[in-house]
Amino acid sequence: AQKITQTQPGMFVQEKEAVTLDCTYDTSDPSYGLFWYKQPSSGEMIFLIYQGSYDQQNATEGRYSLNFQKARKSANLVISASQLGDSAMYFCAMREPPRQLTFGSGTQLTVLP
Amino acid sequence: SQTIHQWPATLVQPVGSPLSLECTVEGTSNPNLYWYRQAAGRGLQLLFYSVGIGQISSEVPQNLSASRPQDRQFILSSKKLLLSDSGFYLCAWSVGLGAGANVLTFGAGSRLTVL
Repeated sequence: AQKITQTQPGMFVQEKEAVTLDCTYDTSDPSYGLFWYKQPSSGEMIFLIYQGSYDQQNATEGRYSLNFQKARKSANLVISASQLGDSAMYFCAMREPPRQLTFGSGTQLTVLP
Repeated sequence: SQTIHQWPATLVQPVGSPLSLECTVEGTSNPNLYWYRQAAGRGLQLLFYSVGIGQISSEVPQNLSASRPQDRQFILSSKKLLLSDSGFYLCAWSVGLGAGANVLTFGAGSRLTVL
């Protein structure tokens, strides 16, 4: 069974608008971590944001925020005020210690000028 | 500051030839080290990880192997490449073992094409 599901293979957003990238996960462990990574066309994976399962507040990092809905097992990434440089592949990932990080299939985001 | 180096960046190899990809980390001690593979248009698949010198865990059975001869060096190898080994290989490191501590930092990747 898929541990991490990203149902949007591709998304388009107008520059300066906000966009939400969906991620749902499957776990029965009470302790886990959720991560979002960005992969530009260069290929390098860039860490964006982290949410722990026990964190009460949604994580935020600059223009990135994670909409964590524990009961629904969703961890959507919200990018505010999109920029052309945000065009990239975005991956949601989960770690259930002691197991290692599991990645979703990714969402290709294109920011339109 | 910590940096991770991965090479070669690109290589084209014939089927049946050997492979060696190298990864080194600077600026940290006793890191956890990882090899991931990404097929074209797909997510990342964990191949190997290591929590210490000589300690290698394999996630997916295949004709690849990994070694950690030094604390900050991680090598991915194959004796005979298959066409299915083509892909983008990413090395990563982290410290700690808890969920929150396991933020992976990735190298720039090695793109392998097997012909």
